[in-house]
Amino acid sequence: GQSLEQPSEVTAVEGAIVQINCTYQTSGFYGLSWYQQHDGGAPTFLSYNALDGLEETGRFSSFLSRSDSYGYLLLQELQMKDSASYFCAVTLYNNNDMRFGAGTRLTVKP
Amino acid sequence: SQTIHQWPATLVQPVGSPLSLECTVEGTSNPNLYWYRQAAGRGLQLLFYSVGIGQISSEVPQNLSASRPQDRQFILSSKKLLLSDSGFYLCAWEWQLGNTIYFGEGSWLTVV
Repeated sequence: GQSLEQPSEVTAVEGAIVQINCTYQTSGFYGLSWYQQHDGGAPTFLSYNALDGLEETGRFSSFLSRSDSYGYLLLQELQMKDSASYFCAVTLYNNNDMRFGAGTRLTVKP
Repeated sequence: SQTIHQWPATLVQPVGSPLSLECTVEGTSNPNLYWYRQAAGRGLQLLFYSVGIGQISSEVPQNLSASRPQDRQFILSSKKLLLSDSGFYLCAWEWQLGNTIYFGEGSWLTVV
């Protein structure tokens, strides 16, 4: 089948760096996306990797390695407001839809 | 710029009652449209997607249905709600297949 695996929970302190991994078992896909979702809100787009390598957007970076079936989201200089759930997602070639991982709950502590 | 809206934001419905959630996109044409459901504290489950007017693909067999009567309008419906239909329903749009998708504000449905 096609699945994306990510850790269920991660805890870090303010100012630290945290990496949220996403491994996948899937056939070809267009790219790997990351979304942030605060409690009670809708997911918001963070980053997208169409090609292998690192994409940087401010404090957030995302990485993709298709040969390793692996990607990650890197959050630097953590702030309390970064406490949220983070989802990785792919759009598959053979399906016209986007599939999501189960999400990683990030808790940032003072 | 493109925007997406869905409504109502919250609703409480009795078991067996009908449902209609509406989603519209502005600022783009012929978008791909999606309906997802999220149970409390869980991931996102794809329910329906549409690549054009009248074209609906369903991912899971259930008592829900979707329709796309206009290019930028996507409707999620049910004739008779079940308790298990409770959840957070999200509409999303995508400009082009393989691009990222953008979500509406979400609709909280509680079936009692």
